[in-house]
Amino acid sequence: AQTVTQSQPEMSVQEAETVTLSCTYDTSESNYYLFWYKQPPSRQMILVIRQEAYKQQNATENRFSVNFQKAAKSFSLKISDSQLGDTAMYFCAFMKHGDSGGSNYKLTFGKGTLLTVNP
Amino acid sequence: ETGVTQTPRHLVMGMTNKKSLKCEQHLGHNAMYWYKQSAKKPLELMFVYNFKEQTENNSVPSRFSPECPNSSHLFLHLHTLQPEDSALYLCASSQVIGLADQETQYFGPGTRLLVL
Repeated sequence: AQTVTQSQPEMSVQEAETVTLSCTYDTSESNYYLFWYKQPPSRQMILVIRQEAYKQQNATENRFSVNFQKAAKSFSLKISDSQLGDTAMYFCAFMKHGDSGGSNYKLTFGKGTLLTVNP
Repeated sequence: ETGVTQTPRHLVMGMTNKKSLKCEQHLGHNAMYWYKQSAKKPLELMFVYNFKEQTENNSVPSRFSPECPNSSHLFLHLHTLQPEDSALYLCASSQVIGLADQETQYFGPGTRLLVL
């Protein structure tokens, strides 16, 4: 079974600064996807960024980038030029990539990191 | 908005009530999911429907009963719930390309359920 660990329950950052959220995972799979989702207060969970494990290049989406270290099973999220709207709970998630149905579609989530961006 | 809607947004029910949660996706996806989000715990997958067929039941108690009449709609029927079932229930959808791949899951806003 896969596990996802987010060791920082809460973090804060000043507006315009950079912050890194950590995520580690445990799996015996070699092919998988990793995701960062953002859940603002009382709002919908939305995808921030996605990484395919077979890709060596780190995914980037505007101010959001990841540091994917496959050997270390680490998948951190860097937010540059933090904005007040980045205040949210951030979830790291894992999905297996395989050739059978059912559990392929299962997202395994970490407990989340509550990020507060201060003005 | 993500293209996935859920109703109602808030629900208070007694332990003897029967209610249903509704989810609708406007993305043309063929897979839908129910998740439970409790405080201080990771999101828990409850059910998966792929092409309207239930492909996973993650050891969910029978007081939760899912229904997927078509690929755009998903229901969660609730009966004789317990106070510990109070949580945010999230629906998600995705486009399953084939057995070996799957697109990203998109989430609805959730239904905040309180069981008294």
